[in-house]
Amino acid sequence: KAGVTQTPRYLIKTRGQQVTLSCSPISGHRSVSWYQQTPGQGLQFLFEYFSETQRNKGNFPGRFSGRQFSNSRSEMNVSTLELGDSALYLCASSLGGIYNEQFFGPGTRLTVL
Amino acid sequence: GQQLNQSPQSMFIQEGEDVSMNCTSSSIFNTWLWYKQDPGEGPVLLIALYKAGELTSNGRLTAQFGITRKDSFLNISASIPSDVGIYFCAGSYNNNDMRFGAGTRLTVKP
Repeated sequence: KAGVTQTPRYLIKTRGQQVTLSCSPISGHRSVSWYQQTPGQGLQFLFEYFSETQRNKGNFPGRFSGRQFSNSRSEMNVSTLELGDSALYLCASSLGGIYNEQFFGPGTRLTVL
Repeated sequence: GQQLNQSPQSMFIQEGEDVSMNCTSSSIFNTWLWYKQDPGEGPVLLIALYKAGELTSNGRLTAQFGITRKDSFLNISASIPSDVGIYFCAGSYNNNDMRFGAGTRLTVKP
């Protein structure tokens, strides 16, 4: 069974730009969650999508948004990038949701200059 | 997200030694998960625990769900160089509020 895939793996942007990250979950998983990981803050939950609906949301500003398609693939968008948005963005898929076993992708390393 | 108290923050050990790390919470959980993250990769699920007192092994790894339901332990026996990485705990209660520990960074010297 193929694992969670994320594209791109690396991204360099400048302040003020926007970025879209993509995640393909494990086949059959309907829950896709997004996390931001930084050395200082650790793993922080952004949001979860289940069957194309946002089901849970963390404490991030509205510049961070997402969506999920009918095939469960998900995208995350960050608008008006700030230097502090530099981080590893991880996507995780699960059968039951964020409170159950999650399987993480390799992440997208975003650098904002 | 909110953090669990995970300790130690880092460990430097000799190959062949055993390792212990733990996570504690001020509130009770009914799910504990342990993940390992290699540099530049996403976390990989190692062990999942769903019952207080449960002891589960995965090769040289053993994790326990504390009897108080407020803590969990991960032990690695006979460490090898590929055990290097960051180990995270995560916990939740009744499908609410999944929390992650800050991680334990393990270095194994050959």
